[in-house]
Amino acid sequence: NAGVTQTPKFQVLKTGQSMTLQCAQDMNHNSMYWYRQDPGMGLRLIYYSASEGTTDKGEVPNGYNVSRLNKREFSLRLESAAPSQTSVYFCASSEGLRSPRGHYGYTFGSGTRLTVV
Amino acid sequence: QKEVEQDPGPLSVPEGAIVSLNCTYSNSAFQYFMWYRQYSRKGPELLMYTYSSGNKEDGRFTAQVDKSSKYISLFIRDSQPSDSATYLCAMTLLGASKIIFGSGTRLSIRP
Repeated sequence: NAGVTQTPKFQVLKTGQSMTLQCAQDMNHNSMYWYRQDPGMGLRLIYYSASEGTTDKGEVPNGYNVSRLNKREFSLRLESAAPSQTSVYFCASSEGLRSPRGHYGYTFGSGTRLTVV
Repeated sequence: QKEVEQDPGPLSVPEGAIVSLNCTYSNSAFQYFMWYRQYSRKGPELLMYTYSSGNKEDGRFTAQVDKSSKYISLFIRDSQPSDSATYLCAMTLLGASKIIFGSGTRLSIRP
């Protein structure tokens, strides 16, 4: 059982380049999330998808787009990378609103370390 | 003011000590409270969760919620070097799909 899988694990981009971060979960979770983590800033929500077919902005959505491809996959795209987007990106999933056990915890992937030069 | 406040540390204690990690929050509607542990260069993992007020114990770990003071704590007994990690508190409303995280406290246990 792989849980949440993120690819790639590391990436270096030049300013202005584009890329897509991939995320897939195999736990049949309804909700998926993209966070960035920066020193001293904690985890900041970029976008989330409460259920298949829906996406919503989080705290820091500017410069990013997302696609909930199906129930398993949720991708994050940087259209024109900037040095300010240098960060560690985490994808997470949860059972979401319909959790029968009332458990609202997230399962996180291992992260993508992105450097924009 | 952030919804959830957490002292970033770092906190360094000797092996075997009791560790206390804390968070305060401003939204009195929060009902689910969680603690995540994050090892260096890894994703956060759920350590414990509690619903509403009270205590919950799991081995050497105890989570405590005081809703009247809007204050939550994680206690680690008989701390081990393997407990060295960043600990993030998190909380949410019943039925909500988003969790609000604290910024994390970096903990180091000295052998």
